[in-house]
Amino acid sequence: DTGVSQNPRHKITKRGQNVTFRCDPISEHNRLYWYRQTLGQGPEFLTYFQNEAQLEKSRLLSDRFSAERPKGSFSTLEIQRTEQGDSAMYLCASSLSELNTEAFFGQGTRLTVV
Amino acid sequence: SQQGEEDPQALSIQEGENATMNCSYKTSINNLQWYRQNSGRGLVHLILIRSNEREKHSGRLRVTLDTSKKSSSLLITASRAADTASYFCATVLKGSARQLTFGSGTQLTVLP
Repeated sequence: DTGVSQNPRHKITKRGQNVTFRCDPISEHNRLYWYRQTLGQGPEFLTYFQNEAQLEKSRLLSDRFSAERPKGSFSTLEIQRTEQGDSAMYLCASSLSELNTEAFFGQGTRLTVV
Repeated sequence: SQQGEEDPQALSIQEGENATMNCSYKTSINNLQWYRQNSGRGLVHLILIRSNEREKHSGRLRVTLDTSKKSSSLLITASRAADTASYFCATVLKGSARQLTFGSGTQLTVLP
């Protein structure tokens, strides 16, 4: 399968713990995006990378959130000191650089903070 | 904040009928895209329409875009039970980092 891969698919954690999610984009895609989706809502943009450079962050991305894409390939999203409000589906997407191209999404990581 | 608003929020039809979903947005766009999401799964890209296009077809899908009214519609013809899913419109805003700005979606149920 050469699509966008996310791990883990599900994560249950206790409040206050740190969690890290991984995204492996489609190999030739140099743009990578992270979104968050809560129940009944559309995804909301968190941050994006052009190759290894993190070029934009949403104000939704508090200082407890950090994302990396060290070699311009896979990316990680870490949430420190998780709160119950962090419970959501975290989606990764990748695309080519051209303007009018589609984004391909992974299956998401569902985080539950108890 | 959500840029697009889909209408209706929920739609229930019989198999074989057509389904129409509408999307409105607020600011100038480069393109508008429609995605489908099955419950608890990732999003699947359906169709992209550029700001200088007015209509696009893909199989049983027809998308229109009216930039003067800042609105789009998605028509699914001859619906099937397997079309049951949430449908989202998403815009790429002019001058943005090309991230997608999603609406809150339409939940489509196709009854067999």
